[in-house]
Amino acid sequence: AQTVTQSQPEMSVQEAETVTLSCTYDTSESDYYLFWYKQPPSRQMILVIRQEAYKQQNATENRFSVNFQKAAKSFSLKISDSQLGDAAMYFCAYRSAMMSRYALNFGKGTSLLVTP
Amino acid sequence: GAGVSQSPRYKVAKRGQDVALRCDPISGHVSLFWYQQALGQGPEFLTYFQNEAQLDKSGLPSDRFFAERPEGSVSTLKIQRTQQEDSAVYLCASSPTGRGGSGTDTQYFGPGTRLTVL
Repeated sequence: AQTVTQSQPEMSVQEAETVTLSCTYDTSESDYYLFWYKQPPSRQMILVIRQEAYKQQNATENRFSVNFQKAAKSFSLKISDSQLGDAAMYFCAYRSAMMSRYALNFGKGTSLLVTP
Repeated sequence: GAGVSQSPRYKVAKRGQDVALRCDPISGHVSLFWYQQALGQGPEFLTYFQNEAQLDKSGLPSDRFFAERPEGSVSTLKIQRTQQEDSAVYLCASSPTGRGGSGTDTQYFGPGTRLTVL
């Protein structure tokens, strides 16, 4: 089974600064998908960014970008120009490309605090 | 709004009671997932439906857990004879396509049902 590890239970960043959240995963598969989800205190999970493993180019969505290192099985999330609204739990998730394994495997999450 | 909705938002049950949790996915979404999120943990997969077919129930922790989606839209997760270890937030998610569709399909999550078993 694939495992996803987020080694930072909590992170803190000042408004307007940049923060990087770490994620590593373990898999023997060559084709898969990676995601970062945000879960504010209201609990509704929201997709932040996604990456296909076969794409070498790192995904970017506005202030959010990833550093995908396939050989190292690393998938970190960089948040630039942090805003108070970025405060939330962030979950890294893995999804196999195999049709029989359709669910997301989540890490334990990183709690991001944004200070004024 | 046209998002995923879940009811009830909060449920308190006495140990041994049966509970039923409802999920209304986004209209037209083929795939529906149930996840269990224990306190301080990431969500863990329970079961997956493609339309009305339950294609994967490998994550259901015991035979006390049962899920259905009889008409391919609304889904119900039922837990029989609840135990304290069942206390968690139960999340439902839906996505537009089924297996064979895009693996990068966004899963849209509902707000969850927080179940507390006393």
